Amino acid sequence: EPEVTQTPSHQVTQMGQEVILRCVPISNHLYFYWYRQILGQKVEFLVSFYNNEISEKSEIFDDQFSVERPDGSNFTLKIRSTKLEDSAMYFCASSDGTATRPQHFGDGTRLSIL
Amino acid sequence: RKEVEQDPGPFNVPEGATVAFNCTYSNSASQSFFWYRQDCRKEPKLLMSVYSSGNEDGRFTAQLNRASQYISLLIRDSKLSDSATYLCVVNKGGNKLVFGAGTILRVKS
Repeated sequence: EPEVTQTPSHQVTQMGQEVILRCVPISNHLYFYWYRQILGQKVEFLVSFYNNEISEKSEIFDDQFSVERPDGSNFTLKIRSTKLEDSAMYFCASSDGTATRPQHFGDGTRLSIL
Repeated sequence: RKEVEQDPGPFNVPEGATVAFNCTYSNSASQSFFWYRQDCRKEPKLLMSVYSSGNEDGRFTAQLNRASQYISLLIRDSKLSDSATYLCVVNKGGNKLVFGAGTILRVKS
């Protein structure tokens, strides 16, 4: 069964440094997403991306965050200057449509900010 | 009121038991509904979509009541491997999934 893959599985970074989280969505999917889950809390939406542009973003997704589809397979999340509160699991997801179509999640990147 | 509300549990049940989870959502314009399961520190995995007519997948049955803004999941003949957190998830339209905090299920032998 096709799956969403994410790298790295764990990233440890000093506060203030930039990080890039990488994702390879399912190959025939056109809609891509990032979510995060702080330890012990619920999964929260960050951003959705379609046709090479952001289609929706949450309040969490401020100017420190950006997304990019640099080539035909990868989808990245960049955090420019990390803060302690950015420590969380970051999940990439993809779908073959919006609204009624389910989103399929990668196994996540655990981001630890020191 | 929370956008998606679930009983946090935990539900501790013996193997073979039937267990039901409930979920309510606040936005009457919500378009689609799902149950995901999440194992400890893992990704959410789609369990099933939820349709207005109700739907079944093996031991799992999901129901949706749009008038009451209520979703349910029934698990019959519980297995040890069903132990997980069950996430009620709603799409209000567009791209954003809204997750409930999850209901913990522990199935014991």
